[in-house]
Amino acid sequence: NAGVTQTPKFQVLKTGQSMTLQCAQDMNHEYMSWYRQDPGMGLRLIHYSVGAGITDQGEVPNGYNVSRSTTEDFPLRLLSAAPSQTSVYFCASSGSENTIYFGEGSWLTVV
Amino acid sequence: AQSVTQLGSHVSVSEGALVLLRCNYSSSVPPYLFWYVQYPNQGLQLLLKYTTGATLVKGINGFEAEFKKSETSFHLTKPSAHMSDAAEYFCAVTLTGNQFYFGTGTSLTVIP
Repeated sequence: NAGVTQTPKFQVLKTGQSMTLQCAQDMNHEYMSWYRQDPGMGLRLIHYSVGAGITDQGEVPNGYNVSRSTTEDFPLRLLSAAPSQTSVYFCASSGSENTIYFGEGSWLTVV
Repeated sequence: AQSVTQLGSHVSVSEGALVLLRCNYSSSVPPYLFWYVQYPNQGLQLLLKYTTGATLVKGINGFEAEFKKSETSFHLTKPSAHMSDAAEYFCAVTLTGNQFYFGTGTSLTVIP
């Protein structure tokens, strides 16, 4: 019963490096999203997708890129990491139950 | 557009005391409402949800919440706090089941 799986759990990057956070769900959900969580700011939506081949920007999209080639996968790419992108990242999915399910989180530090 | 306000970013209660975490929403029509719990270094877990029907919703770990349309509220309660309840709690709202809006969270501390 995997649900939403995201990797890696922890990552340290140097400023300017790029990386991809992986996310996969096995619930056949059409909707997938990425959030970042920062102290005192709750969850902020980065990008989302309503189905394969369709993506859109959320509240804080700058510096991030996404693609949705399959229903299952929704990777998040950091193009050129900056210290301001130090955060905890959560991938999530939702389907016909109108309920959102989260992955375990990815702790990213940019030095 | 919808929004969620959680009153009190930090709440402390004694073990065995009532837990009350407040959530108010803004929406033009009755939304779906949720409470999620986040334990340290973990993801968000669904605690309970309101979709339609009975306005008093029971969730896991003895928590419950009541949807009050007239007050646009969905406060979370538990009669008797346990040490294991210490966590971050998030209220969320959606109209479509796609776009979810979260509050900024309430950190619950349980004092022994």
